[in-house]
Amino acid sequence: DARVTQTPRDKVTEMGQEVTMRCQPILGHNTVFWYRQTMMQGLELLAYFRNRAPLDDSGMPKDRFSAEMPDATLATLKIQPSEPRDSAVYFCASGLRGNNTGELFFGEGSRLTVL
Amino acid sequence: AQKITQTQPGMFVQEKEAVTLDCTYDTSDPSYGLFWYKQPSSGEMIFLIYQGSYDQQNATEGRYSLNFQKARKSANLVISASQLGDSAMYFCAMREGTWGGAGSARQLTFGSGTQLTVLP
Repeated sequence: DARVTQTPRDKVTEMGQEVTMRCQPILGHNTVFWYRQTMMQGLELLAYFRNRAPLDDSGMPKDRFSAEMPDATLATLKIQPSEPRDSAVYFCASGLRGNNTGELFFGEGSRLTVL
Repeated sequence: AQKITQTQPGMFVQEKEAVTLDCTYDTSDPSYGLFWYKQPSSGEMIFLIYQGSYDQQNATEGRYSLNFQKARKSANLVISASQLGDSAMYFCAMREGTWGGAGSARQLTFGSGTQLTVLP
């Protein structure tokens, strides 16, 4: 059963530390999205990639967040330095651009707590 | 203006009854797609159903159906014969533009969600 895999599932860190979240999209999917979910803001788009190229990262705080796809099987989201307001669940989702409907398949999320 | 509006923060339904979760959307793009996702307490986002703006018939997937009223810009989710396992947060989402066409990747924009509780 193909699925999007995210690590870590849970991360607790102290303010100022670097945090890296990883995502393995479904094999063959050519679009990858990073979303952040908080109680106050709901689900917000941070960045997305098509064929490993970043298409839009306007939702990310540029001074501390960075997103990359080193290869087709790995997407990373890095926060440096982390702040308490970054505490949220971070979702990675992938999709197949040739698919007729464009539904996204989500990972289980990475819950980040910054103290 | 909100692109996706879900006006019901919480809903209760008796087991085996049907329930409708409301969703209205706002777009000027003639081509768009509407999605419903389920998020149980475990946290994962599960795709339920899709409706394209040019689809003539309402989408159905098992016990899920989408009541698509284009003129009213509404895309309500109907769950028939509710089960205890249906208790979860439900999100309506929209993609503007054609997914398979040229241009950007066409992200999904989500509503604020409706927490559904199925009572035994």
